[in-house]
Amino acid sequence: AQSVAQPEDQVNVAEGNPLTVKCTYSVSGNPYLFWYVQYPNRGLQFLLKYITGDNLVKGSYGFEAEFNKSQTSFHLKKPSALVSDSALYFCAVRDGTGRRALTFGSGTRLQVQP
Amino acid sequence: NAGVTQTPKFRVLKTGQSMTLLCAQDMNHEYMYWYRQDPGMGLRLIHYSVGEGTTAKGEVPDGYNVSRLKKQNFLLGLESAAPSQTSVYFCASSYLREGQETQYFGPGTRLLVL
Repeated sequence: AQSVAQPEDQVNVAEGNPLTVKCTYSVSGNPYLFWYVQYPNRGLQFLLKYITGDNLVKGSYGFEAEFNKSQTSFHLKKPSALVSDSALYFCAVRDGTGRRALTFGSGTRLQVQP
Repeated sequence: NAGVTQTPKFRVLKTGQSMTLLCAQDMNHEYMYWYRQDPGMGLRLIHYSVGEGTTAKGEVPDGYNVSRLKKQNFLLGLESAAPSQTSVYFCASSYLREGQETQYFGPGTRLLVL
């Protein structure tokens, strides 16, 4: 069975500093990996995905993620954090079967301080 | 283009009552999903559908039923609500085609079962 781990419940970073939100995964076969963001009382918004190709994936709002196959990681990064980036971030891996459902990590709350 | 919509936004039920949550998408997506979100647990798949007239169980299907009579709608039913079903419910949809499997989420339905 596939799984996703987000080892940090919360990440605190000062505005303007780089941020990293960690994610590791376990899946048989080729991984399809996703990052979503959730703002308070809102649904999940898609940020970026890795299917194949370049290990550095660029997404929405200046976010990017680095796929590392040997470390089975897919960390989310941003060079310069904004206060408005404060939200709950979820890493997910796609089901390799026909149902294509997502298995989510438990989420990491990002707090960007002014 | 409204994307994925969910009704109602919030509902309070008493134990044993029934209700139906409605999800609608206007993107002509083949796949539709129902997830529940509980604190510290990420999102978990309840049921899913790969097309009109077909449904299947996810990881946590007990106590729920679903129907997909029209391609654009996916209904989630609770026949006899229990306090353990207090949660936030999210609907999502995606295309069938490989490479376009990003799931798009609705805003959620917050359910409280007393």
